[in-house]
Amino acid sequence: EPEVTQTPSHQVTQMGQEVILRCVPISNHLYFYWYRQILGQKVEFLVSFYNNEISEKSEIFDDQFSVERPDGSNFTLKIRSTKLEDSAMYFCASSENANTEAFFGQGTRLTVV
Amino acid sequence: SQKIEQNSEALNIQEGKTATLTCNYTNYSPAYLQWYRQDPGRGPVFLLLIRENEKEKRKERLKVTFDTTLKQSLFHITASQPADSATYLCAQGDTGFQKLVFGTGTRLLVSP
Repeated sequence: EPEVTQTPSHQVTQMGQEVILRCVPISNHLYFYWYRQILGQKVEFLVSFYNNEISEKSEIFDDQFSVERPDGSNFTLKIRSTKLEDSAMYFCASSENANTEAFFGQGTRLTVV
Repeated sequence: SQKIEQNSEALNIQEGKTATLTCNYTNYSPAYLQWYRQDPGRGPVFLLLIRENEKEKRKERLKVTFDTTLKQSLFHITASQPADSATYLCAQGDTGFQKLVFGTGTRLLVSP
């Protein structure tokens, strides 16, 4: 069964460093998303991406964040200068169309120290 | 702003019984709701999507309802098993937007 894959599963980084989280969405899907979940809290939307551009973003997704689809299969989230409060599980998701079921990856646990 | 609420207390039931989880929404009428299962340290796993013009959806032992008058969705697991123990998330979405707004989730514990 097709699935969304994310790497790495766990990333530890020092405050102020840049991190890149990687995702391979399901191959025939057109919409890609990043969500995050701080420990013990809700899953929160960060950004959606369609047709090689951001289609929607939340207030969390500030200038420190960027997304890219560098080739036909990968979808990345970059955090330019990490803060302690960026520590969370980051989930990539994809969907075939805008308002259809979204499939999530297993997440990258980001720990900022 | 969109707000979606799930019972934050864990639901404990015995194996074989039907589990019923509640999702209430306020301030907004979503075009659809999605239900997910999440195990500790794992990503949400899609279960069912129900649209505002659908009253009920079923998939194997799962059933979800959508009551736009009560602003509520109910999620049922019949003949529950210990393997059904997990956190169940409700998320609302709307036409014209891609984001899902998630509830806090309800933890279900099914004891043998």
